[in-house]
Amino acid sequence: DAGVTQSPTHLIKTRGQQVTLRCSPKSGHDTVSWYQQALGQGPQFIFQYYEEEERQRGNFPDRFSGHQFPNYSSELNVNALLLGDSALYLCASSLRRTGSSSYEQYFGPGTRLTVT
Amino acid sequence: AQKVTQAQTEISVVEKEDVTLDCVYETRDTTYYLFWYKQPPSGELVFLIRRNSFDEQNEISGRYSWNFQKSTSSFNFTITASQVVDSAVYFCALTAGYSTLTFGKGTMLLVSP
Repeated sequence: DAGVTQSPTHLIKTRGQQVTLRCSPKSGHDTVSWYQQALGQGPQFIFQYYEEEERQRGNFPDRFSGHQFPNYSSELNVNALLLGDSALYLCASSLRRTGSSSYEQYFGPGTRLTVT
Repeated sequence: AQKVTQAQTEISVVEKEDVTLDCVYETRDTTYYLFWYKQPPSGELVFLIRRNSFDEQNEISGRYSWNFQKSTSSFNFTITASQVVDSAVYFCALTAGYSTLTFGKGTMLLVSP
């Protein structure tokens, strides 16, 4: 049973550039959430995708955008990178099936983004 | 708004000591779920436990135990007879169903031999 996978593992970008991070959910899951974890902090929610639509969004600027594909995988795009965007980006998958009593989110290993 | 407070930034213990990690939460929802995650140096968040707001039974899993008290809005985590492999950052988190997870800032646990 494949868990949540993310790519790439590490990434170094320059200020002003754009970056795309990818996530494949755990087998059987249909919902993907993205979190940003700055050094020494807890993860902060960016947005959540279900049925290829953004369902919820945290307090992040429009420079952060995403997409979910029919196979449930997802991308996180960040435009006009700032130094402050340097962080570990975590993807979490879950099952949003009606009636499901499980709200567990399974996390991937993360992508560490460094902006110089 | 939801909030999770982990007041202990860092805890250092010697192997075999018992240690308790504190978690206090705030929410207006009557139905909610509390979680504990472990984050080793590799970075991946490892799920440890989920508890819903209607189940205040304490739970024990091996050396791990959790104490949920709605009266004090706390969900504390105890590791008995700690081991070096327990060294990690531990996060408490809260969600009200399909909504997002709100995390605390984490507690770094250092277990020395």
